[in-house]
Amino acid sequence: DIQMTQSPSSLSASVGDRVTITCRASQSIGTYFNWYQQKAGRPPKVLIHAASDLQSGVPSRFSGSGSGTDFTLTISSLQPEDFATYYCQQSYNFPLTFGGGTKVEI
Amino acid sequence: EVHLVESGGGLVQPGGSLRLSCAASGFTFSKYWMSWVRQAPGKGLEWVANINQDGSEKNYVDSLRGRFSISRDSDKNSLSLHMNGLRAQDTAVYYCAREVSTSAFDVWGQGTMVTVSS
Repeated sequence: DIQMTQSPSSLSASVGDRVTITCRASQSIGTYFNWYQQKAGRPPKVLIHAASDLQSGVPSRFSGSGSGTDFTLTISSLQPEDFATYYCQQSYNFPLTFGGGTKVEI
Repeated sequence: EVHLVESGGGLVQPGGSLRLSCAASGFTFSKYWMSWVRQAPGKGLEWVANINQDGSEKNYVDSLRGRFSISRDSDKNSLSLHMNGLRAQDTAVYYCAREVSTSAFDVWGQGTMVTVSS
């Protein structure tokens, strides 16, 4: 199974901050990689697919980069509604696997 | 509007069985792969299984293969998850999700809670 390792597991930030979350795959996965945001009590929401493609309707302050084993999610200017938990996911092969999550807190 | 609505969760004793359902609307159900993803209380996301458009291909996380079975009924726009031999560690919110071509999950239901306890 491909292991997805996110870092950090949590971070504290302020409105307006630039935030970067990283995810490392245990083997090369090309760009078969996605990012999700989950708020408490809600289902996840896809932000980025194929490593860098912004999902329709997602604000442009979110961006994704990377390929192979190392990936990054960047929030250029953190907004109040961005405080949530973020998950990465590989879609290179089965079983599909997620990272452990990064909780973004004030 | 695209919707996925799960049902069938509840409290079940260890060793019991449960069948979850997911009703799809607002899109052509038969054109998409569909998945079940679960989340234990306070924990991260775990992909459970998926099924292709005509139900001929199914994939499972190894730890659940043999106990869980995914199926679909495109006439009823419905996805199911049959769960047998339930254990305490199967306690989770179970989400159904639509997959797009990159196996990203672009539509999620609200989830149904399964609690395995005596």
